[in-house]
Amino acid sequence: DAKTTQPPSMDCAEGRAANLPCNHSTISGNEYVYWYRQIHSQGPQYIIHGLKNNETNEMASLIITEDRKSSTLILPHATLRDTAVYYCIVRGISYNTDKLIFGTGTRLQVFP
Amino acid sequence: NAGVTQTPKFQVLKTGQSMTLQCAQDMNHEYMSWYRQDPGMGLRLIHYSVGAGITDQGEVPNGYNVSRSTTEDFPLRLLSAAPSQTSVYFCASSYQENNEQFFGPGTRLTVL
Repeated sequence: DAKTTQPPSMDCAEGRAANLPCNHSTISGNEYVYWYRQIHSQGPQYIIHGLKNNETNEMASLIITEDRKSSTLILPHATLRDTAVYYCIVRGISYNTDKLIFGTGTRLQVFP
Repeated sequence: NAGVTQTPKFQVLKTGQSMTLQCAQDMNHEYMSWYRQDPGMGLRLIHYSVGAGITDQGEVPNGYNVSRSTTEDFPLRLLSAAPSQTSVYFCASSYQENNEQFFGPGTRLTVL
């Protein structure tokens, strides 16, 4: 079972920031938070991951709360091409915890 | 680099037929995996491999076989196709098990 909870859908206006929340209240100390997205029916695409510090790359920012029980993926200036299903995944580093377990994700619709 | 390639893109089978879904990567990645995605669902791990000659089962391995004779190729065999195996199949690879995974474009399989 997925160890995360995400809202099933969200809307965002083009050019605005999209903030996608994720709850992972049972996360353990050596588990990372990963984000992938799936555009239409393509293969999933890696976005970003983090352990406890906030992370930023060219695609997005990841904000992890101090207690690590939740996180937020931020797309700073959403475009129509960011319309996709976004998956938040908790992933460990040891055998049997290191697999990507996909839930149903959040369907983000960016509108003009 | 071509990345992760999958063939065929589409396939229709009759119940009881067997076939092999092909997956290849040219990034010299050690870790490769197969997922299936049913409509409206997240991806589920079928089988994975941490290197040539080594394979292991994922969440939903029944009805599927894999082998890894080379680093580049990781074919998925359906032994006797069933309608429950109608799905989209994604292959993925990464440098190591805990690194970001690169996904192929998928194979859409229908079993009648």
